Amino acid sequence: EAQVTQNPRYLITVTGKKLTVTCSQNMNHEYMSWYRQDPGLGLRQIYYSMNVEVTDKGDVPEGYKVSRKEKRNFPLILESPSPNQTSLYFCASTLRGGGSNEQFFGPGTRLTVL
Amino acid sequence: GENVEQHPSTLSVQEGDSAVIKCTYSDSASNYFPWYKQELGKRPQLIIDIRSNVGEKKDQRIAVTLNKTAKHFSLHITETQPEDSAVYFCAAGNSGYSTLTFGKGTMLLVSP
Repeated sequence: EAQVTQNPRYLITVTGKKLTVTCSQNMNHEYMSWYRQDPGLGLRQIYYSMNVEVTDKGDVPEGYKVSRKEKRNFPLILESPSPNQTSLYFCASTLRGGGSNEQFFGPGTRLTVL
Repeated sequence: GENVEQHPSTLSVQEGDSAVIKCTYSDSASNYFPWYKQELGKRPQLIIDIRSNVGEKKDQRIAVTLNKTAKHFSLHITETQPEDSAVYFCAAGNSGYSTLTFGKGTMLLVSP
C-alpha cells in the first residue's frame, strides 16, 4: 500500500531533551516536506527536500533540523525542544514532474514539550 | 514568498445548503491551487485542484474556480451533507517546484 508513515504518533517530552520524528514513504517520491499545524495558524512549512541530500528552509525552520540521506526517509530533529514547539506535525511527499503535485500526508505526530 | 489568505475561518450551514470558501494569493508565479480536507483527528487529503490554465473544475458536488487576474480562487460545495464537516485548506504553489503555501483553514460545520 502506497503510504507515508510517521513515528512516533504521540510524544510527550521535556524541555531540552533531543528527539527525532521519523518519516518514511514508499512511493519513490523526490519531494518531502515537514509541516506543523497549530490552531488558527494552519499548516506552516518547516523544511523541505527536493531530493536526496537537498534540503531547504520553509517558513518556520528555527529550532528544527532535517536530513535526507535516503530517498524514502526524511527525519525531523529537535535538538533542544522548547514548549513553543508543542504542536501537531505532518510529513508529506510528492512525486515531482509526474503531472500531479498532490502532497500525500503522513498520519501526524502530536508532540507535547513540557 | 507566497502569501495565501483564506476566508471565512468558520462557516456554519444547514444540510443541503451550498458553502463557499475563498482564498487569495500574492505570487503571480503560482500556477497550482489545491484544496485539502482534514477531518477531525485525520491527515489532510486532497479533494480537488486546479491549474492556472483552467478557470473552473468540477467533481460531483465540489467545484473550484480561479481568477488569475484578481489572484483569487474559491471552493464551492453544493448540497452539503454532515460528512462534509471538516477543516478545509486552500494552497498555492508552482507545479515545477512542488512547494505549497497553505491558507489558515476554514472549519465547515454542516448541521442536519
